[in-house]
Amino acid sequence: EADIYQTPRYLVIGTGKKITLECSQTMGHDKMYWYQQDPGMELHLIHYSYGVNSTEKGDLSSESTVSRIRTEHFPLTLESARPSHTSQYLCASRAEISYNEQFFGPGTRLTVL
Amino acid sequence: GQQLNQSPQSMFIQEGEDVSMNCTSSSIFNTWLWYKQDPGEGPVLLIALYKAGELTSNGRLTAQFGITRKDSFLNISASIPSDVGIYFCAGQLFHDKIIFGKGTRLHILP
Repeated sequence: EADIYQTPRYLVIGTGKKITLECSQTMGHDKMYWYQQDPGMELHLIHYSYGVNSTEKGDLSSESTVSRIRTEHFPLTLESARPSHTSQYLCASRAEISYNEQFFGPGTRLTVL
Repeated sequence: GQQLNQSPQSMFIQEGEDVSMNCTSSSIFNTWLWYKQDPGEGPVLLIALYKAGELTSNGRLTAQFGITRKDSFLNISASIPSDVGIYFCAGQLFHDKIIFGKGTRLHILP
């Protein structure tokens, strides 16, 4: 079973608020990822990190930012939330070894009013 | 960039039926992964395949890594209500990012 955690699980906020979605893993994985997913739809990679102090933008442009100060922690921040940011955000991690599975957290369901 | 074509997009079946879905790519992969996502949850890994031609089972699930390394399929035998969800295939080449298909949505008719 994967040890990757996301908080909060659900968040409803007003437009213009700053929010941070937390993601932590206890597996010592170097590689971590953030995906955005509308209900029932495909996964879109928005950010990834290959280790401490490494962050890259993913395939889908996002107004969010990320940081990787510690191996186990990969938070995602929205400085000013808008209704268009309403979505599910999934965090994932993977070990550096080439043949290694990627594990997902349970997700944060964000609603911006 | 690399893309995976996953089909079918949706399936509507009767309980007890067998299910088959597949993924194809124009590029080769070294690893194929199959995930299942329940509503409101993150995807959970079902089966990982590492070798061309490999056939792996996990209970009622069977998946194969295509011999050309460009395709994979997942079969579910004797479907039950808890099989409902979205199934994602994913491929990886060495240290590259994992590429996900767009998902197959499985519905079981009452």
